[in-house]
Amino acid sequence: EVQLVESGGGLVKPGGSLRLSCEVSGFTFSNDNMNWVRQAPGRGLEWVSSINDKSDYIFYADSVRGRFSISRDNAKSTLFLHMNNLRAEDTAVYYCVRLGVVTTVYWFFDLWGRGTPVTVSS
Amino acid sequence: IQMTQSPASLSASVGDRVTITCRASQTISNFLNWYQQKPGTAPKVLIYAADRLQTGVPSRFSGSGSGTDFTLTISSLQPEDFGTYYCQQSYSNLYTFGQGTKLEIK
Repeated sequence: EVQLVESGGGLVKPGGSLRLSCEVSGFTFSNDNMNWVRQAPGRGLEWVSSINDKSDYIFYADSVRGRFSISRDNAKSTLFLHMNNLRAEDTAVYYCVRLGVVTTVYWFFDLWGRGTPVTVSS
Repeated sequence: IQMTQSPASLSASVGDRVTITCRASQTISNFLNWYQQKPGTAPKVLIYAADRLQTGVPSRFSGSGSGTDFTLTISSLQPEDFGTYYCQQSYSNLYTFGQGTKLEIK
């Protein structure tokens, strides 16, 4: 059974830091591009960051670049998101998401975790 | 790349044909995906590559378009189709979603 289980969310003060984790099972994590996607309360989806299988291609949304850092441990099938200098507008549910691919060309978010909530508030 | 969906919300009856549009701020060829999200759950991919149905998705869902303009169509709306629909481009490595279309069943 495929599982993506996020953890590490919680309440943090503005300017604080948090590290999210995502433990994966049921597919070969080390072969896949992984992402974080977030959703603020009552709002739409926002892609946050992606990392390829070998961690040599990493991308960030403009809204988090310089503050967030994505990483992975293929031996432990775990994805991380290190979040620094958090702001109120970072409040959201953070989803761990696999980027699936068809014919090596068409990429889409095909496997999602249940999400972990992050609240930034004083 | 900015993605703009319309309408922001709509209400339709069971059996209706429903159309949601998505426009990209620049050409994205056919690198366009559609997702459905129900309250309290993670999104689910319906369509990828603009018009390819993901495995297991009912055939009443279809997608079309290329370049900058895309459409998601539900041919005969079912009660379980309520939720919010998002388009998303995968042309750029900086993936972006549309703002969503909330679909309610009358």
